[in-house]
Amino acid sequence: DQQVKQNSPSLSVQEGRISILNCDYTNSMFDYFLWYKKYPAEGPTFLISISSIKDKNEDGRFTVFLNKSAKHLSLHIVPSQPGDSAVYFCAASANNNNDMRFGAGTRLTVKP
Amino acid sequence: DSGVTQTPKHLITATGQRVTLRCSPRSGDLSVYWYQQSLDQGLQFLIHYYNGEERAKGNILERFSAQQFPDLHSELNLSSLELGDSALYFCASSVGTLSNEKLFFGSGTQLSVL
Repeated sequence: DQQVKQNSPSLSVQEGRISILNCDYTNSMFDYFLWYKKYPAEGPTFLISISSIKDKNEDGRFTVFLNKSAKHLSLHIVPSQPGDSAVYFCAASANNNNDMRFGAGTRLTVKP
Repeated sequence: DSGVTQTPKHLITATGQRVTLRCSPRSGDLSVYWYQQSLDQGLQFLIHYYNGEERAKGNILERFSAQQFPDLHSELNLSSLELGDSALYFCASSVGTLSNEKLFFGSGTQLSVL
């Protein structure tokens, strides 16, 4: 069951522009959301997170927005840099569960 | 370096065989998670152990089993292997079991079943 969905398998943007990666979820019990970045031949690494009590969290060039009513979150990267090229996974967890669910990932390519 | 160690990095085997994947969590982490990433698939949650006890099960096949040992390292056993079991298997660890904890991932074991 795909409780976390990333409907765009890939995204290509120009260096310096904004990258917007989207994620939808179906489980209303999710209360914590995370984004992970994965480079080839490496495991995913944590990027940024947001609690369900907030609607925005910012860390440098990365901002995550949460719309609970729409069960949607997005990751904004601005300005995008070639080093940001990677696969980005959206993840969600619920306090009454002991597992974290991941989306299928979006491959971001930032062109110089 | 995440501090999570997975061995082996690559494993090639034949259908019907059995393999064991090993994971050592970050120092101090009590939780170990196993995930499977197949081609074009996201990270599928398999199982979660905390301090030696199973805490949650995901889409783990009956042919697969796992355990966490007293020294907190974990092993994922895959038996009666099929071609479709070919995937990248990740182990992750965290301090506890709270939903607001981030996971630290190993670099994965690439399993190829021929």
